[in-house]
Amino acid sequence: DAGVIQSPRHEVTEMGQEVTLRCKPISGHDYLFWYRQTMMRGLELLIYFNNNVPIDDSGMPEDRFSAKMPNASFSTLKIQPSEPRDSAVYFCASTSVLYNEQFFGPGTRLTVL
Amino acid sequence: RKEVEQDPGPFNVPEGATVAFNCTYSNSASQSFFWYRQDCRKEPKLLMSVYSSGNEDGRFTAQLNRASQYISLLIRDSKLSDSATYLCVVNRHQTGANNLFFGTGTRLTVIP
Repeated sequence: DAGVIQSPRHEVTEMGQEVTLRCKPISGHDYLFWYRQTMMRGLELLIYFNNNVPIDDSGMPEDRFSAKMPNASFSTLKIQPSEPRDSAVYFCASTSVLYNEQFFGPGTRLTVL
Repeated sequence: RKEVEQDPGPFNVPEGATVAFNCTYSNSASQSFFWYRQDCRKEPKLLMSVYSSGNEDGRFTAQLNRASQYISLLIRDSKLSDSATYLCVVNRHQTGANNLFFGTGTRLTVIP
């Protein structure tokens, strides 16, 4: 079975550019999460969706970040404009009420120069 | 105060050694507890759940002390393949996984 799919796996961009990260959750999962991981702060929850509806976006750092989930099989996290402090690994995870764990994608390593 | 606190390490141990990691959580209403493992440049994956009575999975033993709000993971007979970062995770709910809080992780390196 395919796991959570994220693209791109690596992204290098310049400050001020728009960055779009993509995620396809595991089929049948109705929860989707976006996390950011850095050495200093560890894994931080940015936002999560249930049945495509954003439930908690209190972790979104500021208005430069936005996330959408237009359907059950696709979500995007957009940063506009990007800044060097946004450099991190961004993980997408999914789950359903049947499970006691979250299933993570391989992550997108973002570097903003 | 962070929801979950862990000693970041690193822990460098020889093969065959026994090593223990500890974690504390701040919310006494937390209901369920887990250890996740994250290999270098990979995603976190569930290692094991932690039960009040303590539980064992092969060389791994997890324990929970609700009174002290303390969770531990013991690894016996360490293998090179155990080298990874171990994340302590708490859930405010008994079931489901939509409200997880992750520690920053404890890094383990097993040395030949």
